[in-house]
Order: sequence, then C-alpha cells, then structure tokens
Amino acid sequence: EDKVVQSPLSLVVHEGDTVTLNCSYEVTNFRSLLWYKQEKKAPTFLFMLTSSGIEKKSGRLSSILDKKELFSILNITATQTGDSAVYLCAVALYNQGGKLIFGQGTELSVKP
Amino acid sequence: KAGVTQTPRYLIKTRGQQVTLSCSPISGHRSVSWYQQTPGQGLQFLFEYFSETQRNKGNFPGRFSGRQFSNSRSEMNVSTLELGDSALYLCASSLSALNEQFFGPGTRLTVL
Repeated sequence: EDKVVQSPLSLVVHEGDTVTLNCSYEVTNFRSLLWYKQEKKAPTFLFMLTSSGIEKKSGRLSSILDKKELFSILNITATQTGDSAVYLCAVALYNQGGKLIFGQGTELSVKP
Repeated sequence: KAGVTQTPRYLIKTRGQQVTLSCSPISGHRSVSWYQQTPGQGLQFLFEYFSETQRNKGNFPGRFSGRQFSNSRSEMNVSTLELGDSALYLCASSLSALNEQFFGPGTRLTVL
C-alpha cells in the first residue's frame, strides 16, 4: 500500500530558529512530491519536486528530494510566528491522474 | 487570477439527507480533484475529473459521487449522510495531472 510518513508530527520552536521537516514515502510509480502549508484553511502550495538533489527555494523556505532514499526535507530558516501552521507533504504517482497521497502533516508552532 | 472557489462554505445536515458541494477551478484549469479532511484520517483523495471524465477514484463508498461540467466546474454529492461524513471537503484544481494543485477554501460539512 502506498504510504507517506511525515516527522515529527508536531514541533515547537522560538522565533529565529531553523527547522527541518521530514517526509518519507513508500509508493509505486513515484512522479513528484509536493509541500503545502495549511493555516486553518485551504492548503497553500509551496513546492513541487520531481528530481533528486535539486534544491527549490522561496525566501526562507527550501526543499530537496532524495529519490534513492525516498524522502524529502523542508527547511525553514529564521522562523517567524507567521510560519506557524501544519505542513503537508503529498506524493503524486504516474498513471494515477491527479491523485495525491498525503502524509499526516507536521504541526509547527513558532513562539515569540 | 481568481483562485479556486467552493460553495457553500459551511453546511449542517442531518443523517440520511444528501448534500451537493460545488467547486469552480482556476480559469484555464481542467483537472479538479476532491479530498476529504478529518482530524483522524487527514487528507484523503475522493476523486478526480478531467474534461468531464472521472479519471481516478479513492476508496470511498458509492454514496460519494461527482461530476464535472464543460466549463470545468465540478460538483460532488454525498447521499444518505452518516455522522462520519462530517469533515472539511476540499477541492483542488490544476492545469493537468502533471502540474501542482491549488486548493479552494473548503466546505465544512457537519452531519447531526
């Protein structure tokens, strides 16, 4: 059965800290991995990764994929209280159309 | 560009009733996917439509159905509601199955 696992499930840090969120997957016919941020409303798209070793960056956020070890990390540097949210990892498969398989999410809380 | 819109935003129904939720994708997007989000199960894929055809379906009972119109707008229907159907129902659209999905604000369904 296809599976996506995120760790940790929750994390509390202070403003200015750097955090690393993990996402591992066991799926057949991997196509891409996506990261979303959800703040009590709709998930907002962060990154889509399809190739190993190529870092994607957006401001203080960055992400990288390792297709050999079947995982991805999401880094957030110099965290701010506005980064508090649930971060979701999802995997898309070939021959499955638009179906995304989501992990449980990591709840990040950034304290002032 | 307007984002994904969903109506209604909130719904309260009683067991045994049926409900129809609506989703309007981002202009130009032809793929629409539906997800159910609950605290216990997280985000789970319901089905995906592309060019008015259901391309993939998740592991949900036949009470859950959907359709897509020629303008790419989509509806999902849940018949004979059960208490366990209480959830946030999210719709996401993308240009195609190969592209990132953008989520709407969701419809919060409560079944009493």
